[in-house]
Amino acid sequence: AQKVTQAQTEISVVEKEDVTLDCVYETRDTTYYLFWYKQPPSGELVFLIRRNSFDEQNEISGRYSWNFQKSTSSFNFTITASQVVDSAVYFCALSATGYSTLTFGKGTMLLVSP
Amino acid sequence: DTGVSQDPRHKITKRGQNVTFRCDPISEHNRLYWYRQTLGQGPEFLTYFQNEAQLEKSRLLSDRFSAERPKGSFSTLEIQRTEQGDSAMYLCASSLAPGLSQETQYFGPGTRLLVL
Repeated sequence: AQKVTQAQTEISVVEKEDVTLDCVYETRDTTYYLFWYKQPPSGELVFLIRRNSFDEQNEISGRYSWNFQKSTSSFNFTITASQVVDSAVYFCALSATGYSTLTFGKGTMLLVSP
Repeated sequence: DTGVSQDPRHKITKRGQNVTFRCDPISEHNRLYWYRQTLGQGPEFLTYFQNEAQLEKSRLLSDRFSAERPKGSFSTLEIQRTEQGDSAMYLCASSLAPGLSQETQYFGPGTRLLVL
């Protein structure tokens, strides 16, 4: 069975602060993929990143960065210099290699105030 | 390049009525997924198609739910005899699956269903 835990239900920050969203996963599969999606108030899930379990290199894309640590089964997401437009619910998800279905966490609502 | 589209965006119905939702995937994508999302939760997998074949169904998909993808393009999700517990956001996603490589699913805007 697979499980994704996002322990932070809601985070509030002031614009320009850095914020880290935590994601811890459980899987018995030796190979798997991890994802982050953003869900703004409009409801559409927007794909942000995909990582496979072979690649533990951290990744940076603009103000976004991701820290994958297989030893702690974590895949954390950091937004640097947050902006009001970053306000959304962020979901971490997991799928086993060879399986198509995604297992999502419950999401973290990020509120960025001006 | 258009994304995944879903219709309608909102649906209000009375308990016991049937409803049907439509999803149009990204044009070259051969896999199509349906998920359900209730308030405060992450999306939960319902079913998926590769081309016109329905390859997997979740146990969440009761016998009141049926999904089709007749020509391997758009898909419909029908709920018969709706119940208040069916109130949720129904999300459709599509992906391109070349062989066994893991693909990325791209989601549509969802259909919000409210059963009164």
